Amino acid sequence: QKEVEQDPGPLSVPEGAIVSLNCTYSNSAFQYFMWYRQYSRKGPELLMYTYSSGNKEDGRFTAQVDKSSKYISLFIRDSQPSDSATYLCAMSASQGGSEKLVFGKGTKLTVNP
Amino acid sequence: DGGITQSPKYLFRKEGQNVTLSCEQNLNHDAMYWYRQDPGQGLRLIYYSQIVNDFQKGDIAEGYSVSREKKESFPLTVTSAQKNPTAFYLCASNRATNEKLFFGSGTQLSVL
Repeated sequence: QKEVEQDPGPLSVPEGAIVSLNCTYSNSAFQYFMWYRQYSRKGPELLMYTYSSGNKEDGRFTAQVDKSSKYISLFIRDSQPSDSATYLCAMSASQGGSEKLVFGKGTKLTVNP
Repeated sequence: DGGITQSPKYLFRKEGQNVTLSCEQNLNHDAMYWYRQDPGQGLRLIYYSQIVNDFQKGDIAEGYSVSREKKESFPLTVTSAQKNPTAFYLCASNRATNEKLFFGSGTQLSVL
């Protein structure tokens, strides 16, 4: 089993839909969870950063972590065509080192106008 | 504007040739990283450097080399020993290794 599993999609939704993106992981030591957005042929940009379990909200984006199930989610409300991108989850066991980040494969999202 | 500049955007390598990808940052970040991204795969760490004149191998360092002679620059050389070099290469940096990671726009390397 890979450390981080992420459904690659593609996922296609109409504008205004609520989008749910998910990752599962096997390493119970992971404590720091991130979501990156990557537009085609561009570098990823950090969207959300969460420590341990719980929810974090930023505008239309909500990140959830369920450590008991080893499952993280990113929700996008009122999705827009500009949200069309690949979304990568990433996680690490300790804060002391981006070199320890483990990335998911990414889910490609298309929001249709 | 502060940021990370990768060049060139597209690069082609001939058989047996070494090629160098440039990464420059003006964010005054101490730590810099090189990742490889293949279709349908997550980012994989090639090399990273936490300070000038020091760098460490990542998960897939074989066939690659780096240098860190200046804080702003972290070039990656893809050597002829790397038999499958076609990929999208991303450079990243942060102020310290436990802080937010910033990425450049990437270089697509292909084999002729």
